[in-house]
Amino acid sequence: LAKTTQPISMDSYEGQEVNITCSHNNIATNDYITWYQQFPSQGPRFIIQGYKTKVTNEVASLFIPADRKSSTLSLPRVSLSDTAVYYCLVGPYNAGNNRKLIWGLGTSLAVNP
Amino acid sequence: GAVVSQHPSRVICKSGTSVKIECRSLDFQATTMFWYRQFPKQSLMLMATSNEGSKATYEQGVEKDKFLINHASLTLSTLTVTSAHPEDSSFYICSAGGQGSNQPQHFGDGTRLSIL
Repeated sequence: LAKTTQPISMDSYEGQEVNITCSHNNIATNDYITWYQQFPSQGPRFIIQGYKTKVTNEVASLFIPADRKSSTLSLPRVSLSDTAVYYCLVGPYNAGNNRKLIWGLGTSLAVNP
Repeated sequence: GAVVSQHPSRVICKSGTSVKIECRSLDFQATTMFWYRQFPKQSLMLMATSNEGSKATYEQGVEKDKFLINHASLTLSTLTVTSAHPEDSSFYICSAGGQGSNQPQHFGDGTRLSIL
């Protein structure tokens, strides 16, 4: 399973765009890249997932270069409620529900007023 | 979207008590569920993989007799912490996969277990 590396912490201000980069140098061909958000005393919440190029949904964008050895989660115009820990994970493509994920320490994002 | 419900959200009990935590997939069937433990300021650590209709698969260092897992139906997995001690105090989280091979895992809101 691929290991990921993220900054331990980041600081931002309300209204700014925040980009969190994750390195996964030994990502496998069948691995997807998934980002989760976790608030204190809550379970992780799915943000976005991608395989290559760019993926966008209503809350974030995910940029993946051609070599797939890194990815960048982009949060547009953050608010105070975006203060959380953000995890980048890569996991094997498996049939059905069998996706064993290895979690790193994540990036603790603090959004200031 | 897929919803995973975990109950109870918080448990405080005396040392030696056994505690059962339930994890339910509310709008999809899950042949596999995962149980994690998270200590303060640390990441999620996978404890075991719960398989419907068969024995759970435990990660190295996790005592299977201590953490009993039952996955009797496609929508319910339970984790029982037997004879809990203060060192078992932690945040326990379950997850279940979405339908489809590349669908993300969905997580319950966790159970804060405090053993006095």
